[in-house]
This record gives sequence, structure tokens and C-alpha cells, in this order.
Amino acid sequence: AQKITQTQPGMFVQEKEAVTLDCTYDTSDQSYGLFWYKQPSSGEMIFLIYQGSYDEQNATEGRYSLNFQKARKSANLVISASQLGDSAMYFCAMRVSGYSSASKIIFGSGTRLSIRP
Amino acid sequence: DAGVIQSPRHEVTEMGQEVTLRCKPISGHDYLFWYRQTMMRGLELLIYFNNNVPIDDSGMPEDRFSAKMPNASFSTLKIQPSEPRDSAVYFCASTLRGELFFGEGSRLTVL
Repeated sequence: AQKITQTQPGMFVQEKEAVTLDCTYDTSDQSYGLFWYKQPSSGEMIFLIYQGSYDEQNATEGRYSLNFQKARKSANLVISASQLGDSAMYFCAMRVSGYSSASKIIFGSGTRLSIRP
Repeated sequence: DAGVIQSPRHEVTEMGQEVTLRCKPISGHDYLFWYRQTMMRGLELLIYFNNNVPIDDSGMPEDRFSAKMPNASFSTLKIQPSEPRDSAVYFCASTLRGELFFGEGSRLTVL
């Protein structure tokens, strides 16, 4: 079965601290992709970072990095030096093969991150 | 590019009425996805298209839901008849091969 699991429904972190949001996945595909999206209270979905299954280096985008551990099937998001504006819902997503070799993208249940001043 | 455009942004309707949500994907994108977001169920994949062809509609909750993509620049999600439990935010998203680009969503309230 293809599945994304985010086990932390909510987290509180002090401003300027680093935070790790957990994501584990399950797929039998050899080629797949992992994404993280941020959804602030305004509701829009903002793309943060992407990791391909064959990428040997962990992806980084500014303060965001993806800790990709293929053998453990985990793709945790690390936010360094958290800011008040990081308070939002964070979703892990996976692109996998679907019917007729067309890819589909499925999402985890999300983690609500709250940054304390 | 204008991004993925969804309409209406907000819809309030009464139970039993037909609802049509619209989506214009980013030009050149060959995948289009419809998701539904609720507090209870999170982000559910309803249906997705590749090159205007529906690939997998197994996420469509019931026969009351239908989706079409008559051309590369337009898709609709229809609910007929609508029920209160259909109240949710419906997102349309498109992609070529990389990340999904989301529309701003259509917030549906069925009374």
C-alpha cells in the first residue's frame, strides 16, 4: 500500500530553535518523490522542498532541509532557526506510480507547528 | 503565469442543490489533481487527470461526485445532489513533473 504517515498532530517550538517534523512513507516503487508543503492559516498551499528517491544528497532550500533516510523510509523536514511566520500546518507528500504509469501525489495528515515568541 | 485558478472561492448552497467547481491549470501542465480538505479527513485525493484523461477516480466518495476535463485548460468537479457532509475546501492542483501548484481552493458550505 502507498501511504504517508505524519505522527505528530501538533508541535510547539520556541522561536529561533530548530524543529524536525516527522514523515514516514510506504511504497514499493523504486522511483518516487517526496515533497513538503506549508499551509498557513490563510489556507494556501506553499511548496517548500522536494527529494527524489534517487537523489543521494539531502535536499536543502534556505532554512529548510529534508533528512532523507531511504532504508528507514523517512523524509523528515528540518527547519532551522524557526521564526514566528513558520507557524502553520505542514504536509508531507509522495509522488508514486498510479494507473497506466501515470503518477499520483498523496498527502499525509499534517503537523500543526506553533512557534512561541 | 497566473497560476492555477479556481472558482468560485466560496460557495454556500442548500442540501440537494448542484454544485460545480471550476479549475484552470497552469498552461503546459499535463497533470491535474482534485483534492478535498476537511478537518477530519485531511487532504484526500479525489481524482486526477493526465493529458485530460481521468486516470484514477477511486477517491471520489460517491456517485454524486463527477469530474471532467474537456480540454487542457479547464476542469470541473460537480456534486449533485450536494449534502452537508460535502462541506470542505476543494483544491485543484496541476504539475508537469515536479511539484504541485495549487489553486487557492473553493470553500464549499452545504446547509
